[in-house]
Amino acid sequence: AQKITQTQPGMFVQEKEAVTLDCTYDTSDQSYGLFWYKQPSSGEMIFLIYQGSYDEQNATEGRYSLNFQKARKSANLVISASQLGDSAMYFCAMRGAGSNYKLTFGKGTLLTVNP
Amino acid sequence: NAGVTQTPKFQVLKTGQSMTLQCAQDMNHNSMYWYRQDPGMGLRLIYYSASEGTTDKGEVPNGYNVSRLNKREFSLRLESAAPSQTSVYFCATGQGFVGYTFGSGTRLTVV
Repeated sequence: AQKITQTQPGMFVQEKEAVTLDCTYDTSDQSYGLFWYKQPSSGEMIFLIYQGSYDEQNATEGRYSLNFQKARKSANLVISASQLGDSAMYFCAMRGAGSNYKLTFGKGTLLTVNP
Repeated sequence: NAGVTQTPKFQVLKTGQSMTLQCAQDMNHNSMYWYRQDPGMGLRLIYYSASEGTTDKGEVPNGYNVSRLNKREFSLRLESAAPSQTSVYFCATGQGFVGYTFGSGTRLTVV
């Protein structure tokens, strides 16, 4: 079974500062993928970034980076230079080869960016 | 544009009524999924279809049925709606380790 834990129900950050959203995971799969999604107040699910379990380097996509620590089973999302438009719910998710590629989600972190 | 189309976007049902949520994708993916989202619970998998002709239960299947009509379409049916099924429903498609593409969601209220 797969499990994703996001321990921060809510986070606040000042505009232009960096913020880290925590995510830990548990799986027995050797091959898996980790994802972050953003859900703004409008409700759509927006894919942000992906990290494969065998990727040696941390994934980056613009202002988003994924701090992957495999031994600690953590996959934290780092947002640099926060913008007001980053205010949203953020979900960590994982997908394992042994789970028929189903995505398992954490409960989410609500990020608020203050001006 | 390629993507996932869900209908309807909003629905209000009375307890005991039935309805079908429709989902269609034009990404030529084999796998399709139905999730529900409730406050504080994240997204939970209701049913999924790994390929045309197959369906399997997810984490919260009770009270729902699904049909994988063809490769493009995957519908979710509530036979007798209950207030506990008030939620936002998302259809999604994906393949391998590619990130899912989600529909825009259906906001369902059961009174």
